Amino acid sequence: AQSVTQLGSHVSVSEGALVLLRCNYSSSVPPYLFWYVQYPNQGLQLLLKYTSAATLVKGINGFEAEFKKSETSFHLTKPSAHMSDAAEYFCAVIVNTGGFKTIFGAGTRLFVKA
Amino acid sequence: DGGITQSPKYLFRKEGQNVTLSCEQNLNHDAMYWYRQDPGQGLRLIYYSQIVNDFQKGDIAEGYSVSREKKESFPLTVTSAQKNPTAFYLCASSLRGGHANEQFFGPGTRLTVL
Repeated sequence: AQSVTQLGSHVSVSEGALVLLRCNYSSSVPPYLFWYVQYPNQGLQLLLKYTSAATLVKGINGFEAEFKKSETSFHLTKPSAHMSDAAEYFCAVIVNTGGFKTIFGAGTRLFVKA
Repeated sequence: DGGITQSPKYLFRKEGQNVTLSCEQNLNHDAMYWYRQDPGQGLRLIYYSQIVNDFQKGDIAEGYSVSREKKESFPLTVTSAQKNPTAFYLCASSLRGGHANEQFFGPGTRLTVL
């Protein structure tokens, strides 16, 4: 079965430190991969997406993610955390199972300490 | 401005009552989706519609019903048959159903059963 695994339900970093949120997927075919961000009591907003054009994808707010097929990973990074980055982040994969279906990870809540 | 609106933002219901959550989009998207979000469980798909007058059950459709009479509207009814309806409900849309398109989300409705 296709799935998405986000390692760590909570991640805490200091302001200015590197942000690394992990996402691994299982798919027998090249997937379409996404990262979404959700601020408290709001809907999800697209951060970035991988659609096979380039393995390193740049998104909004200084985030980027690298697709590594050999590791089946699509980790999200940001060089320097800002207080406003505190939110919940969801990795998602679209797989073709006779029709395209989006599968979301369980989410990782990012805390940023001053 | 194009986007997705959900109303109301907060909704309270007594046990045994049906309640309908509104979702409207002016993005001219064909596909629309309803998700339920519970803490630590990510997003779970309730129903989706790839085109007007057509919809399919998602992973947790029991106790819910939908209609898609207009392209821009996809209301969700939470019936009394839903055993644990207290949750955050998110509506989303994408350009075309059955394709690898990212989803655009509304701000959500938080339903509480008293």
